[in-house]
Amino acid sequence: KNEVEQSPQNLTAQEGEFITINCSYSVGISALHWLQQHPGGGIVSLFMLSSGKKKHGRLIATINIQEKHSSLHITASHPRDSAVYICAVNSGGSNYKLTFGKGTLLTVNP
Amino acid sequence: NAGVTQTPKFQVLKTGQSMTLQCAQDMNHNSMYWYRQDPGMGLRLIYYSASEGTTDKGEVPNGYNVSRLNKREFSLRLESAAPSQTSVYFCASSEMITDTQYFGPGTRLTVL
Repeated sequence: KNEVEQSPQNLTAQEGEFITINCSYSVGISALHWLQQHPGGGIVSLFMLSSGKKKHGRLIATINIQEKHSSLHITASHPRDSAVYICAVNSGGSNYKLTFGKGTLLTVNP
Repeated sequence: NAGVTQTPKFQVLKTGQSMTLQCAQDMNHNSMYWYRQDPGMGLRLIYYSASEGTTDKGEVPNGYNVSRLNKREFSLRLESAAPSQTSVYFCASSEMITDTQYFGPGTRLTVL
């Protein structure tokens, strides 16, 4: 079993819909990252969080440490949100051990 | 600021050839990383450098070597390329090992 599992693997939505992508992990972590990879291949870090919730524009990330679960929400989705969203967990404490999920491919249709 | 830059963007090698992938960052970050990304798999760490003068193996280091040339530059060398090393390679950097990482645009490598 992978240490980091994302669901769904693929998600198609209509413009304006509210979107949720889930990430579950099986190890103790010091932080969780959400990344975005556009069709051109570039990777951008969206959030790093260790508790609670963070918001940036239309993106919201939450984490529940006890349940080992995080969600990424996109409000009022737009075709430009189409990308692969990747969850990664740092389970190494002050050392480096970042484990990545396989990603969720989001397609937002106009 | 250019952020994290990688050269080359594309490369085709024959089995057994060697090459070096270059990475540089202008954010004065301490930590740098090399990843590979293969279809159907998540990003996997090849090597990382927590700070200038140190390097450590990641999840898939076999067949690769690295050099942290200075604080700005971190290169990845394939001594004898194999078809299994066909992949997209990403370099990243962060202020410290526990911080948000900034990624380069990637190098698409094909080994025939």
